[in-house]
Amino acid sequence: DTGVSQDPRHKITKRGQNVTFRCDPISEHNRLYWYRQTLGQGPEFLTYFQNEAQLEKSRLLSNRFSAERPKGSFSTLEIQRTEQGDSAMYLCASSFGKGGPQHFGDGTRLSIL
Amino acid sequence: QQQVKQSPQSLIVQKGGISIINCAYENTAFDYFPWYQQFPGKGPALLIAIRPDVSEKKEGRFTISFNKSAKQFSLHIMDSQPGDSATYFCAASHNQGGKLIFGQGTELSVKP
Repeated sequence: DTGVSQDPRHKITKRGQNVTFRCDPISEHNRLYWYRQTLGQGPEFLTYFQNEAQLEKSRLLSNRFSAERPKGSFSTLEIQRTEQGDSAMYLCASSFGKGGPQHFGDGTRLSIL
Repeated sequence: QQQVKQSPQSLIVQKGGISIINCAYENTAFDYFPWYQQFPGKGPALLIAIRPDVSEKKEGRFTISFNKSAKQFSLHIMDSQPGDSATYFCAASHNQGGKLIFGQGTELSVKP
């Protein structure tokens, strides 16, 4: 079991550009979560999927953000028209079933120039 | 009501000592309380977790104490080692494994 994998690990982009991150969960996990973590803070929930269905979205997820999990396996998180405030670590976690513990990837660090 | 408050913000402990980190919550619907350890540049790693039907859970050097009436829970790290130096986060969720609400984190430094 290789754990939760995120790609890329680092992304540097100019303000106004679109970026897309990918998350590959642990293979048998049916739940997939996205969180955002800024420096010195705990992770904040963004959204989660059960299989391919997106079941909850945070108020933090503005209309510039979109997440998909088309076949219930990997997921993508896209940010359109990036802003300075989007600079953060974007973390993905996965779990099996409703009560399973969440296991995190090492995140994608986004820097906006 | 969704907040989880964590203290202290930073902690320095001598090698071999006991590290204690505290968390408090308001939402009585929370039913799952994990602790995560995070090293710089890495994602949070699950250390230990507890549900409110027990008051204490121990795994190796790590113990969670849970006080349901006070709505507080704490992490005790016994025989702290320099390798334990990291940031620790408490978290809570309800409905058995929904989104996690994290505390603000505690930066632990264990001095040799």
